[in-house]
Amino acid sequence: NAGVTQTPKFQVLKTGQSMTLQCAQDMNHEYMSWYRQDPGMGLRLIHYSVGAGITDQGEVPNGYNVSRSTTEDFPLRLLSAAPSQTSVYFCASFPGHRSGNTIYFGEGSWLTVV
Amino acid sequence: SQQGEEDPQALSIQEGENATMNCSYKTSINNLQWYRQNSGRGLVHLILIRSNEREKHSGRLRVTLDTSKKSSSLLITASRAADTASYFCATGRPSGSRLTFGEGTQLTVNP
Repeated sequence: NAGVTQTPKFQVLKTGQSMTLQCAQDMNHEYMSWYRQDPGMGLRLIHYSVGAGITDQGEVPNGYNVSRSTTEDFPLRLLSAAPSQTSVYFCASFPGHRSGNTIYFGEGSWLTVV
Repeated sequence: SQQGEEDPQALSIQEGENATMNCSYKTSINNLQWYRQNSGRGLVHLILIRSNEREKHSGRLRVTLDTSKKSSSLLITASRAADTASYFCATGRPSGSRLTFGEGTQLTVNP
């Protein structure tokens, strides 16, 4: 298994541009989430999904959209990038409580908005 | 707002020493988790302790939970240079739908 794969790893955007951060997992996990991590801080939840076709907002959802058309993929869209969205983004997946309690994180995507 | 708050913010020790990090939280929890993050990498789940547990061990890791004080501690025994990382506590649902992280403790283990 490749685990949780995020692309791209690094991206520079101009203010107002749009882009999509890709996240894929090959472990057939039900749950997937997107977090952002700002310097010197813990992770904050942006959006999450408890299964294909189901998404919901986390702590800091503004400026981001998500969709979950398949179990494997959970892309995060920035519709109009702002400098405040400069951050490191982590995607995570979780198999469900009956399969254990370990969350798997991707390696992160470093986004800079200028 | 951050649910968990780690203490200290930074800790520097020598290889072979023990490292203790503390986490305080504000609301009732079902479980508390500890994660490690190496520089420039994603988070790795270390251990989960449920609210009805007081202590849990995993290799060189020992986690305690005191729900009356709303606090937890992570002890790494016989530390190694490879333990150098940031350590975060997190509370909420393990699925990630409501996982709230503290700001982390930066541990440096000097060889």
